This record gives sequence, C-alpha cells and structure tokens, in this order.
Amino acid sequence: LAKTTQPISMDSYEGQEVNITCSHNNIATNDYITWYQQFPSQGPRFIIQGYKTKVTNEVASLFIPADRKSSTLSLPRVSLSDTAVYYCLVGTGRRALTFGSGTRLQVQP
Amino acid sequence: ETGVTQSPTHLIKTRGQQVTLRCSSQSGHNTVSWYQQALGQGPQFIFQYYREEENGRGNFPPRFSGLQFPNYSSELNVNALELDDSALYLCASSWDSNEQYFGPGTRLTVT
Repeated sequence: LAKTTQPISMDSYEGQEVNITCSHNNIATNDYITWYQQFPSQGPRFIIQGYKTKVTNEVASLFIPADRKSSTLSLPRVSLSDTAVYYCLVGTGRRALTFGSGTRLQVQP
Repeated sequence: ETGVTQSPTHLIKTRGQQVTLRCSSQSGHNTVSWYQQALGQGPQFIFQYYREEENGRGNFPPRFSGLQFPNYSSELNVNALELDDSALYLCASSWDSNEQYFGPGTRLTVT
C-alpha cells in the first residue's frame, strides 16, 4: 500500500482558505486518493475522493497534479468546527485503509 | 450519520479478560473492516471481512479474532486483554468501493 506524508499540524483563522498537501510518491495506477476528517473520539468521516485533476464537492476541493505523486485538500473559508485531524489515504476497492498520523488542523477565531 | 453503529460505546475490562465488540454495517454493505486507534495516532487496520470470510489481516496477534454474520454485521473478539489494548476500536463498512463508512467507535479501557 502506498505510504503518504502529510504535515503534522497546521494553524489557520476563521474565514481563511486552508490547503493541506499530501505526498504519495509510490501511488499505483489504480489507486484513488481519499481524504477523511476525524474529530476526537469519533470515527473518521469521508470528505472527498479523486483520481486525477480536480474534484469539488460541497465541503472541499481536491487538486491532483498530472503525475499524481501528491494531492492538495482545499477547505474554503474554514470555521472553528473544521478543527480536526485530516487524513490522506491512497488505495483501491475494498482494500484496507492505511492511515498515517494525519494533519492536525487548528482553526482560531 | 453513516448508518454504521457500534456497541458498546465504552467498556472497561481488566487484564486477562476477554471482550466482544459489535458492529452493524450500513444497509447494503457487504464488507466490514476493523481498526484500532490508540490515543494520538491514526487508525491501524486489524482485519477485514467480505461476505463472511476474512479478507485481509493487519499486524495483530491471533488473540484478535472476528466474525461476520449473514446480515453483514460483525464482531471483534479480543482474548487475554493487555493494557496496550486500550484504544478506540472502529469498524467501517463498504460496498466494493473505495469509500468506507466508519462507525462512532467503542472506547476500550484495560486496567
């Protein structure tokens, strides 16, 4: 399974755009890139998934360059409730998810 | 709300005891995965069940075992509990897709 590397922590302020970049140099051809959000003592929650280029949903955008060796999760206009740990994962199908340590995002007022 | 439920919410056991944790998958999902999450770390894969058969296992000893039932609900059993087994245990269900839906977890404390 491809290993991912993310910043350990990031700080932001309410209303700002936050971009979290994940490195996955060994991503396989069939692998998708998925981001999860986790609040303390809760299960991870699916945010967004993509294969290449750009994907956007109601909560985030995911940017994937042509070589797919990295990806960037973009959270527009964060609020205090976006304070959480964000995990980047790569994989395919029903395969088990390999979580790294994630990025701890702290949003300040 | 993901539709995945777990029971119990919290549990306290002593070393050497056995514990059974339960998970009800989201309706229509045929795959269940179990994860252990220690404090401050990312979830670690324990094993996965697909249509009642074990479909992969992480680096956990045999005293961690599981079952998946015909209705796709699942159990995680841990024998001979150790202090290091204290963690949040998560189950996730999916249907042949990349997106896994996680339950709220069971917080196990071993004293």
